[in-house]
Amino acid sequence: KQEVTQIPAALSVPEGENLVLNCSFTDSAIYNLQWFRQDPGKGLTSLLLIQSSQREQTSGRLNASLDKSSGRSTLYIAASQPGDSATYLCAVCQSGNTGKLIFGQGTTLQVKP
Amino acid sequence: EAQVTQNPRYLITVTGKKLTVTCSQNMNHEYMSWYRQDPGLGLRQIYYSMNVEVTDKGDVPEGYKVSRKEKRNFPLILESPSPNQTSLYFCASRRTGGTDTQYFGPGTRLTVL
Repeated sequence: KQEVTQIPAALSVPEGENLVLNCSFTDSAIYNLQWFRQDPGKGLTSLLLIQSSQREQTSGRLNASLDKSSGRSTLYIAASQPGDSATYLCAVCQSGNTGKLIFGQGTTLQVKP
Repeated sequence: EAQVTQNPRYLITVTGKKLTVTCSQNMNHEYMSWYRQDPGLGLRQIYYSMNVEVTDKGDVPEGYKVSRKEKRNFPLILESPSPNQTSLYFCASRRTGGTDTQYFGPGTRLTVL
C-alpha cells in the first residue's frame, strides 16, 4: 500500500531564505508526482507536476525533483516571500487506471517578514 | 477560464437530511473524482469517474453516492448524512491518461450536526 510522508510537518523561516520541502513514498510504481499549495480554508493549487520519467521541473522560484528509485521528491523554494506562506502538499498518482492521488499530510510553511 | 466549480461552498445541515454537492468542470475532462480532507488523515478519495456513466469507489465510499450523467458534472450525494461526514470536500478533474495535472475545485466545507 502506497504511503506518502512529508517532512517537516511545519517550517518557519525568515523572508529571503531558500528552503527545501521533502516528500517520500513507499511504492515506486507511479505515473507522476504533483506538488500543490493550499491556503487556509481554500482549495488546492497545482504548482508542479513531474512525470515518472522526469527528474525535475521548474516554475519561477520553484524547483521540484523526483528520484523514483529511492522514493523521494523535494520542492525547492528560492528567495522565500511572506506570500509563500501556505501548506504544501505532495501527491503521487499510482500506476493503473484509477487515477487516484495519494497525498502526504503536508508541510505548513510560514515565511516571516 | 479553465476551472472546477463546487456548490455550495459552505453547508451546515442536520443528521439524516439528504444533500447534494455539485461539481462542474469546463475543461472537457473525462476523469473526475471526489476527495475529503480531515485533520490528521489528509486527503482521501471517495469516488471517481473515468467517463460518463462510469463510476467506481475510492478509499472511503461508505455513506456517499455519485452519478455521472454528463461529462461536465459529477455531483456527490449524501442520502443520510451523519456527523462523521463533517469534512472539507474537494472535486477534481483531469484528462484521462494518468499523466496529466489534476485540477481541484475550491472545496465545500460541510458540517453535519
